[in-house]
Amino acid sequence: SAVISQKPSRDICQRGTSLTIQCQVDSQVTMMFWYRQQPGQSLTLIATANQGSEATYESGFVIDKFPISRPNLTFSTLTVSNMSPEDSSIYLCSVELDRETQYFGPGTRLLVL
Amino acid sequence: DAKTTQPPSMDCAEGRAANLPCNHSTISGNEYVYWYRQIHSQGPQYIIHGLKNNETNEMASLIITEDRKSSTLILPHATLRDTAVYYCIVRETSYDKVIFGPGTSLSVIP
Repeated sequence: SAVISQKPSRDICQRGTSLTIQCQVDSQVTMMFWYRQQPGQSLTLIATANQGSEATYESGFVIDKFPISRPNLTFSTLTVSNMSPEDSSIYLCSVELDRETQYFGPGTRLLVL
Repeated sequence: DAKTTQPPSMDCAEGRAANLPCNHSTISGNEYVYWYRQIHSQGPQYIIHGLKNNETNEMASLIITEDRKSSTLILPHATLRDTAVYYCIVRETSYDKVIFGPGTSLSVIP
């Protein structure tokens, strides 16, 4: 398995501001994924981030709202831009290991006021 | 959309086996069955996966029917710490997306 950390673990933000979430993994991985989990809901995939290429976004998610960086094989960031209360969610990153299994970080709990 | 259907909730007595069913009638030949669980707002935890043979690890057993259209996750001796939402997912390996359905909320009762 992999050890995945996220920063911050939680935050309270004002509407109209932006927050950058960091995801760090203890081994080199090709693919990283970002998910959103709205209150009481299941996880929804936002985008897939490969090192050295543009992230691939799922339907309903756009780069201007959720820009992603993937500067190396152990790190990625997700920015939630121009936040509104509807962006209040848990944001999770995950990594693919051994071409078989995804492992998830602990999540970042975001509350937008 | 998720390719699986699961009951929304189940109860299990502590110390008894928890059997969580999953239907995946449209599964294709190269798709695996994966199980994850999420304990109260933590990140999902990988449990087990299989293609067509039954699988067992230190956490659980996975029983897949011969036609592969359904499977059962078995927690042999459920404890209160097994209370969680359990997700059954069908996906190919090799970097295929993990699409989560609503899962089954398992409550282990003392």
